[in-house]
Amino acid sequence: DGGITQSPKYLFRKEGQNVTLSCEQNLNHDAMYWYRQDPGQGLRLIYYSQIVNDFQKGDIAEGYSVSREKKESFPLTVTSAQKNPTAFYLCASTLHGTEAFFGQGTRLTVV
Amino acid sequence: QQPVQSPQAVILREGEDAVINCSSSKALYSVHWYRQKHGEAPVFLMILLKGGEQKGHDKISASFNEKKQQSSLYLTASQLSYSGTYFCGTDPQGGSEKLVFGKGTKLTVNP
Repeated sequence: DGGITQSPKYLFRKEGQNVTLSCEQNLNHDAMYWYRQDPGQGLRLIYYSQIVNDFQKGDIAEGYSVSREKKESFPLTVTSAQKNPTAFYLCASTLHGTEAFFGQGTRLTVV
Repeated sequence: QQPVQSPQAVILREGEDAVINCSSSKALYSVHWYRQKHGEAPVFLMILLKGGEQKGHDKISASFNEKKQQSSLYLTASQLSYSGTYFCGTDPQGGSEKLVFGKGTKLTVNP
């Protein structure tokens, strides 16, 4: 079955560490996205990518980095520069801006 | 650049109707609507394209007024399964694949 897979489901980070969240899709979608979800804030766009080897900053890119070396993969790194990383992270993909498919999310907690 | 949703929360009894609004300060080219249940990924409901069309799915329909830069989601004869948080998503750059979401409207349907 086609879909979008995020891993891990839960992730714990120590202060000062970088962590990488995985997102893989087998839908052959061109565009991929990372969103951060905090209570009452909705879905805020971190980064998005329309094609391989290209990506654009969203509204809250500071403290995050991404890469898009393969069409099916769009990993997100939460760097130590992100001062408040505890949140629920969602990855999504679309085909030409149509229906977005979301992964099941990764819940990141700073310990 | 986030679209603005209203109201923030709605509580209904089963069988009642609700309207959720989504507006933008920028021109709208398309509007997406999604529903997210607690702890789950958002699920696509419908997409409306420029042209003022109205779409429907079962007892959930939506309209898109590009002149007023707003869209409305109509839930008729609500069912318990309609409970969740509803998000509208827009492309603020028109024709790009950037997708930004509002803060959401929490809908609770009680028996």
